[in-house]
Amino acid sequence: NAGVTQTPKFQVLKTGQSMTLQCAQDMNHEYMSWYRQDPGMGLRLIHYSVGAGITDQGEVPNGYNVSRSTTEDFPLRLLSAAPSQTSVYFCASSQGPGGSQYFGPGTRLLVL
Amino acid sequence: EDQVTQSPEALRLQEGESSSLNCSYTVSGLRGLFWYRQDPGKGPEFLFTLYSAGEEKEKERLKATLTKKESFLHITAPKPEDSATYLCAVQDGVQFYFGTGTSLTVIP
Repeated sequence: NAGVTQTPKFQVLKTGQSMTLQCAQDMNHEYMSWYRQDPGMGLRLIHYSVGAGITDQGEVPNGYNVSRSTTEDFPLRLLSAAPSQTSVYFCASSQGPGGSQYFGPGTRLLVL
Repeated sequence: EDQVTQSPEALRLQEGESSSLNCSYTVSGLRGLFWYRQDPGKGPEFLFTLYSAGEEKEKERLKATLTKKESFLHITAPKPEDSATYLCAVQDGVQFYFGTGTSLTVIP
């Protein structure tokens, strides 16, 4: 099993550009989530999904969209990138909302 | 409002010198408390889940305990390979709140 995979590993964007961060898991997990990690702030939940077709907002959802059309994939879209979105983004999955989460390797995003 | 607070922020230990990391939380409806290890440039790696006060879990040199307001991660006779950042997270409903972590360095 590959576990949780994320692409790209690193991306540079200009302010106002849009992009999609990809996340996929091959463990048939129902719960998937996106976090951002900033120095001194810890991991903060952006959006999560409890199953295909179901998504909800986390602690810091503004400027991000998600969809969950399949169990395996959970892409995160940045609509109009801003320098404040410079961060490391992690995708995670678990069997259910209360399960231990498996994290991907992360995507480092720099917005100029 | 901070949900999860970890202390200390950084800890340096000599190899074999045991210590404890602290995680205090303020969520009202705790559904679970999680400990993760994170190495530089990598995603967090799951260590333990604790669900109720008094519960304890062990794995190699690590032992996690839980009370009604805090959790401890005890590290017994640490080795250099235990150097990492240790993250604590609490589950409130279906959302998770993470602390900022404790950066542990074990010196040979």
